[in-house]
This record gives sequence, C-alpha cells and structure tokens, in this order.
Amino acid sequence: GQNIDQPTEMTATEGAIVQINCTYQTSGFNGLFWYQQHAGEAPTFLSYNVLDGLEEKGRFSSFLSRSKGYSYLLLKELQMKDSASYLCAVMDSNYQLIWGAGTKLIIKP
Amino acid sequence: IAGITQAPTSQILAAGRRMTLRCTQDMRHNAMYWYRQDLGLGLRLIHYSNTAGTTGKGEVPDGYSVSRANTDDFPLTLASAVPSQTSVYFCASSEGLNTGELFFGEGSRLTVL
Repeated sequence: GQNIDQPTEMTATEGAIVQINCTYQTSGFNGLFWYQQHAGEAPTFLSYNVLDGLEEKGRFSSFLSRSKGYSYLLLKELQMKDSASYLCAVMDSNYQLIWGAGTKLIIKP
Repeated sequence: IAGITQAPTSQILAAGRRMTLRCTQDMRHNAMYWYRQDLGLGLRLIHYSNTAGTTGKGEVPDGYSVSRANTDDFPLTLASAVPSQTSVYFCASSEGLNTGELFFGEGSRLTVL
C-alpha cells in the first residue's frame, strides 16, 4: 500500500529553527508537496520538489531524497504565525496525491 | 477575489437526508477535487474531475456523487447522509490533474446526526 509518515506534533520556540520530516512509500513518484494549514482554515501550497536536493523559498526550505523516500521542511526564524499543521503529499504514478496526516507545529514564545 | 467558494460553511443534517455541497471556482482551472478531512487522517479524495463533462472516483467515493456541467462548478451530493459522513469537506482546483499545486476552498463542516 501507499503510505506517508510524518510526526503528529512538534513544539519549537519563536526565533528558532525546526525541521519536519516526511517519509513515503508510494507507487511511483511525480513530485512531493508541502502545504500549510492553519486551524480551521484551508490548506495552502508551500513548496514542490521533484528532483533531489534543497529548494529554498524565504524562511522555508524543502529537501528531497528520492532514493531514501524522504523529505523535510525546514522553517527558520520561527514566528508565532507559523503555528499550523504542515501536510506532506506525494504524487504517485497515476498523478494522484497521497497525503500524510499532517504535523501540528506549536510555537512557544 | 479570485479563488474557490464553497457553501455552506457549516451544516447539521439528519441521517437519511440528501445534501449538496456547492463549489465554484473562477480561475478557469481544468481539474477540480473533493476531499474529506478527518482528525488523524490525511486528506482523502472522494471524487475528481479532469475537465467539464468528466468525473472520476477517488479513494472514498461510496455514498457521494458529483457532476461537472461546466468549468466553474463542481457540486458534491450525499444522496442519503449517514453519521460516518460527518467531516470537513474541501473542494480544490488545479490547472490540471498532473499539477500538485492545489487551491482549496475554505471548507464545509458537515455534521450528520
């Protein structure tokens, strides 16, 4: 079966750095996506990786290793507004998105 | 404001009743989707549409139906609601089915009693 694993919850301090990991087992691979979802709101697109390596976008970076079935989302200079759930999703060989359950990130002052 | 509009935002429904969740987008996207989101689970695809006039089944289609009469509208119907359909429903769209950048509506919280 297809599976996406990510930690259920993480806590970090304002101003610090946090890394949210995602491992996947899917039928084929056509890209890995990270979304942010604030409580009670819709998910919003953050990043896309299809080749190995690091993609940087401001305070957020996303890394992919296809051989290891592994990705991480790195958030720097954490702000209180970064408190949200972060969803990892992989597009399989049928171009279907397989979603992880999400990681709830709690930022403390 | 461009984007996706869902209605209603919240609804309490008696079991056995019929319910239609509405979804409209103004981005002229070809692909549209309906997901349900339940605590502790990832988003699960109910139905999708690649273009007007075509629809497909997702991971959890039973008890739900959709139609795509035009590019903009993609309603989701529960023919006879059951308590296990209590969930938050998200409509989304993308330029195409092979595009993983989805744009989501604000969600419809449905409670079936």
